Amino acid sequence: DGGITQSPKYLFRKEGQNVTLSCEQNLNHDAMYWYRQDPGQGLRLIYYSQIVNDFQKGDIAEGYSVSREKKESFPLTVTSAQKNPTAFYLCASSRLDRAGYEQYFGPGTRLTVT
Amino acid sequence: ILNVEQSPQSLHVQEGDSTNFTCSFPSSNFYALHWYRWETAKSPEALFVMTLNGDEKKKGRISATLNTKEGYSYLYIKGSQPEDSATYLCAPNQGAQKLVFGQGTRLTINP
Repeated sequence: DGGITQSPKYLFRKEGQNVTLSCEQNLNHDAMYWYRQDPGQGLRLIYYSQIVNDFQKGDIAEGYSVSREKKESFPLTVTSAQKNPTAFYLCASSRLDRAGYEQYFGPGTRLTVT
Repeated sequence: ILNVEQSPQSLHVQEGDSTNFTCSFPSSNFYALHWYRWETAKSPEALFVMTLNGDEKKKGRISATLNTKEGYSYLYIKGSQPEDSATYLCAPNQGAQKLVFGQGTRLTINP
């Protein structure tokens, strides 16, 4: 089955620790994205990548880092510099070969930092 | 950052009734407008991707229209069913492979 997997579903961390969220896709999509959702807000773009070894900041990149060493994988690290890391994180992927590409989403990871 | 407005924020509809809601976005530098449905405990799923002014798309009982000149899109659901209960997200794409999502319209269908 083709799709996007995110792990783990729930993640708990102590304040001051870095944490890495996994995102893997087997859809052969070139583009991958990380979004954050907070209560009462829309999905906000953290980082996106259109090609291996290249990525761009989204609207709220501060306190986050990413890597894209393989086409299938786009892990997100939430660093201790992120002031409000507790949120629901969604990973998505899409094709790049036409305008109007839809994005395919993973199941999400809920991160709680205390 | 784009200002994308969806209204209403939440909506309760009786089963069998039809309903519609709105997505407003800046009309400049328009590439495409996406609609997604997000059911509880599931991942968002694409409903429509619309690119041309005057576009109308339909999937079963759900349809959408697009006006890029004035910057709005309507989503219509005909004969609402309980399985239509979800949050509906719109997201314009103004280039650079970036979508900007609205807050969503949370639809609840009452049986």
